[in-house]
Amino acid sequence: DAKTTQPNSMESNEEEPVHLPCNHSTISGTDYIHWYRQLPSQGPEYVIHGLTSNVNNRMASLAIAEDRKSSTLILHRATLRDAAVYYCILRGFSGSARQLTFGSGTQLTVLP
Amino acid sequence: GAGVSQSPSNKVTEKGKDVELRCDPISGHTALYWYRQSLGQGLEFLIYFQGNSAPDKSGLPSDRFSAERTGGSVSTLTIQRTQQEDSAVYLCASSLGAGVTDTQYFGPGTRLTVL
Repeated sequence: DAKTTQPNSMESNEEEPVHLPCNHSTISGTDYIHWYRQLPSQGPEYVIHGLTSNVNNRMASLAIAEDRKSSTLILHRATLRDAAVYYCILRGFSGSARQLTFGSGTQLTVLP
Repeated sequence: GAGVSQSPSNKVTEKGKDVELRCDPISGHTALYWYRQSLGQGLEFLIYFQGNSAPDKSGLPSDRFSAERTGGSVSTLTIQRTQQEDSAVYLCASSLGAGVTDTQYFGPGTRLTVL
């Protein structure tokens, strides 16, 4: 399965935008890029996913590089509630497509 | 609507005892997954159920672990002869289908402590 690389940790100030990067240089043409996050003492929750085009939803935006070897999750105005571990996950039609393969993620700290 | 629920929320057991962990998925979801998260570790896939198909057990760490899903709904994860290394948070997730764009919805988890 294609791997993802994320920074271990990032900090942001409250009410400022946050850009969380993910590298996936071995991504295949059919792999979707998914983001989940895990708030303290909770199960993971879905954030967003995309294939080639940038995506927006009520929680965040996903910017995908033209060559698809990297992507960035954008939180437009970070709140204290956004402090969580953010996971960038590839899901494709080959290999173990059904289950989610979590890496170590990025621990986001939001400063008041 | 109701999300994924798990019970118990916490379980403390003695080494060597058997434990059962329960997962109630979202109604109508055909796919159900079990994961575990050990202290300071990432989430590790255990087992996957999809409809009436045979489960994918490829993530189970040993034959002491088993799971069943009755009537395509509730699932039980059983750990026999628990060991201290089994201590972890066990998470259940369900999704409408098993496609690559199907969102997985996670329960709050069961924290298992083996003394």
